[in-house]
Amino acid sequence: EVQLVETGGGLIQPGGSLRLSCAASGFIVSSYYMSWVRQAPGKGLEWVSVIYTGGATYYADSVKGRFTISRDNSKNTLYLQMNSLRAEDTAVYYCARGGSKICSSTSCYDYWGLGTLVAVSS
Amino acid sequence: QSLLTQPPSASGTPGQRVTISCSGSSSNIGSNALNWYLQLPGTAPKLLIYRNNQRPSGVPDRFSGSKSGTSASLAISGLQSEDEADYYCAAWDDSLNGVVFGGGTKLTVL
Repeated sequence: EVQLVETGGGLIQPGGSLRLSCAASGFIVSSYYMSWVRQAPGKGLEWVSVIYTGGATYYADSVKGRFTISRDNSKNTLYLQMNSLRAEDTAVYYCARGGSKICSSTSCYDYWGLGTLVAVSS
Repeated sequence: QSLLTQPPSASGTPGQRVTISCSGSSSNIGSNALNWYLQLPGTAPKLLIYRNNQRPSGVPDRFSGSKSGTSASLAISGLQSEDEADYYCAAWDDSLNGVVFGGGTKLTVL
């Protein structure tokens, strides 16, 4: 059974850093493209970043230069390193899987985690 | 403001057919596949339609998607109370080199 479990969220002061983890089970992370998608309280979905099977990464303009997506194949885990956090980064962060048989197009995610809340406030 | 434009709200009565539109541009919907997601309150999004008009296993055939040019739409027939949720469209944008989501449409079943 495919499962994605995000951890690492919490309350952090502006300018601080946080690393989110997404532990995957039931599939091999490096065989799929993986993304982070966030949702600010009461707002819509916002794509954050993607890492492809070959290692290429892309970021939303709003986080470029501050966030880094990566994966640890030995731990089958996806990460999001978030630096220089701002109040507008406050959101629930979801990890999501794409690149499956049905999800061949980027922007298609067939499995999502439950999310982890990041709150940036002084 | 989202690059994909959806109406903020839609409504219908049980049994009715409702449609939700998603308007974009040549760099996103016009050149890439469009996907739809459903999000029930307090839960993670769920893939509803992929590659413009395909349903994942388990999604009822009451849900259908279509795409023409730079616009797409989601149709829900035989509306049920459990369809009350937020619906999002999403596509890759070649200019941004990233995924763009619509602003979301809150569907109310009256």
